[in-house]
Amino acid sequence: QLQLQESGPGLVKPSETLSLTCTVSGGSISSSSYYWGWIRQPPGKGLEWIGSIYYSGSTYYNPSLKSRVTISVDTSKNQFSLKLSSVTAADTAVYYCASFTMVRGAFDYWGQGTLVTVSS
Amino acid sequence: SYELTQPPSVSVSPGQTARITCSADALPKQYAYWYQQKPGQAPVLVIYKDSERPSGIPERFSGSSSGTTVTLTISGVQAEDEADYYCQSADSSGTYLWVFGGGTKLTVL
Repeated sequence: QLQLQESGPGLVKPSETLSLTCTVSGGSISSSSYYWGWIRQPPGKGLEWIGSIYYSGSTYYNPSLKSRVTISVDTSKNQFSLKLSSVTAADTAVYYCASFTMVRGAFDYWGQGTLVTVSS
Repeated sequence: SYELTQPPSVSVSPGQTARITCSADALPKQYAYWYQQKPGQAPVLVIYKDSERPSGIPERFSGSSSGTTVTLTISGVQAEDEADYYCQSADSSGTYLWVFGGGTKLTVL
């Protein structure tokens, strides 16, 4: 069974770049069976898909965030990463990494989530 | 942008049936997925491809689709089912590949 774990700074200053890494265990990030994604949830609000990546490097981004988002994969470390530039207080959220299984077509394994606060 | 519309809240008594709807233009052409999220926890997939149930999800959870609306039905609601529920789907153009509804708070009275 896949396990995912987010890591990264919990506090980021406005206008800077938010950087998070998701470490995958229990399976290979190079598997053709999965996409890997980032989803966020502002405090007290709903879920927002940020973007996804395939092991080959193909990326898919939420059009509303596309200009600020970069998602990459490091197959040697079984990790994928998120960078969100020019952050503001509106980017304060719990950030989840998740696996998207091709068979089910859904995000069926999630990390526990990590709270990132944007504040000076 | 593309939106999935859910009611903000649904309330039912224990043992009754809860129905949570999700509406969007592309739902006749795109599968819908449902996630359950309890406070402080990550979402859990409860229904995929409109009506399929992952292993480990109780049989009281079911999904259905009719036109531009999909429905999550929880039969014989239990106190432990109190949670936020989110639908997820995609638009028909391929621009918005993964979109979540605004969420529905299910309250068990």
